[in-house]
Amino acid sequence: QVQLVQSGAEVKKPGASVKVSCKTSGFTFNDYALHWVRQAPGQRLEWMGWINSVNGNTKYSQKFHGRVTFTRDSSANTAYMELSGLRSDDTAIYFCAREYVEVDGLFDYWGQGTLVSVSS
Amino acid sequence: DIVLTQSPDSLAVSLGERATINCKSSQNLFYSSNNKNYLAWYQQKPGQPPKLLIYWASIRASGVPDRFSGTGSGTQFTLTISSLQAEDVAVYYCQQYYNTSPYTFGQGTKLEIE
Repeated sequence: QVQLVQSGAEVKKPGASVKVSCKTSGFTFNDYALHWVRQAPGQRLEWMGWINSVNGNTKYSQKFHGRVTFTRDSSANTAYMELSGLRSDDTAIYFCAREYVEVDGLFDYWGQGTLVSVSS
Repeated sequence: DIVLTQSPDSLAVSLGERATINCKSSQNLFYSSNNKNYLAWYQQKPGQPPKLLIYWASIRASGVPDRFSGTGSGTQFTLTISSLQAEDVAVYYCQQYYNTSPYTFGQGTKLEIE
């Protein structure tokens, strides 16, 4: 069955960076784009961007451009999200999500989420 | 950015009764070239990721019970649960995938049992 398993919770200080992994199984990794969405406390879901698993091309939301980097390791069926220059308002649950086949921006399977806490 | 506004913010419905959640878009989500509305609904239970319920405004995702239905077009959309079950307690989000920069979600509607 399709699974996206994310790395564990992180606690970071302001200004630091965090890297979250999303290990996939149950489908052909290179056939699907992977997106990253975050959910801050009391806030709506917020799309961060996506990575093309085949060629590594990325698109980032303008809000995060310059601070976020998506990468992937196709041999390990794993995608990564790195966010730098962390601030307190980056405290959130970060999700990876698989894009529904041939429907840009529709998410059919999600990781369990990774809580990133930013505090001094 | 396309802004999605859901109403109400919270809703309490008795078991077996109908629940209705609305989603209004700041821009048209209907693409005339393929006759589709780029609007999805997700269900999120506490401690879980969102789960895709409805896409193209009215198509149920695989395995979703038929008590869930989606209607609407253009800028106004509705998610209806025809007969509320205890396991339907969750927060429901609409999401537009018409505009890629960025994809956006509604603020969520919390559904509880009355």
